[in-house]
Amino acid sequence: DADVTQTPRNRITKTGKRIMLECSQTKGHDRMYWYRQDPGLGLRLIYYSFDVKDINKGEISDGYSVSRQAQAKFSLSLESAIPNQTALYFCATSADLRDSYTGELFFGEGSRLTVL
Amino acid sequence: AQTVTQSQPEMSVQEAETVTLSCTYDTSESDYYLFWYKQPPSRQMILVIRQEAYKQQNATENRFSVNFQKAAKSFSLKISDSQLGDAAMYFCAYKDFGNEKLTFGTGTRLTIIP
Repeated sequence: DADVTQTPRNRITKTGKRIMLECSQTKGHDRMYWYRQDPGLGLRLIYYSFDVKDINKGEISDGYSVSRQAQAKFSLSLESAIPNQTALYFCATSADLRDSYTGELFFGEGSRLTVL
Repeated sequence: AQTVTQSQPEMSVQEAETVTLSCTYDTSESDYYLFWYKQPPSRQMILVIRQEAYKQQNATENRFSVNFQKAAKSFSLKISDSQLGDAAMYFCAYKDFGNEKLTFGTGTRLTIIP
């Protein structure tokens, strides 16, 4: 089983719909992230969380919200989806500074979202 | 703000040959990490190699090695004895100690020619 699991893997929805992408991890990491990948733009950070009570905006948080339900679960919501939110979304985790921190991110397999 | 530039959108190499992917970055920090990630058609982002800026020795992982030039802010990836399974998008990424964000380049698509 994957250490970082994202659901759904693919989703097609319509403009104005509310969408939730879910992420769960078994790595025991405190830090979790949501990134968005667009062709020609690389990956950009949407939100990140250090623990259940610590959530922070990334560089492109407008139009998105997140919830850290538990140490192992971090979900991303699009309250009212629009076509330019069509992208590949990645959840990732990293170790805490106290735990042999290497800066490395561990990624899920991605959720491809298409907004029509 | 830190930026990462990959100037080669696409590269190709004959199987068993060597290829070098380029990456430059801009930062005013002295301590940071640099990474190369591989994204095969399966979409999963996989760490290929990592370099700490304070280490002068270039990182090596089997057929993958880097040429880290700190003064020039350059971090190229060399793949030796290229294999069909190396075909993927490769992303260069930067992270400094005071910033949670991993900054990615725009990627280089590597094709392996049999």
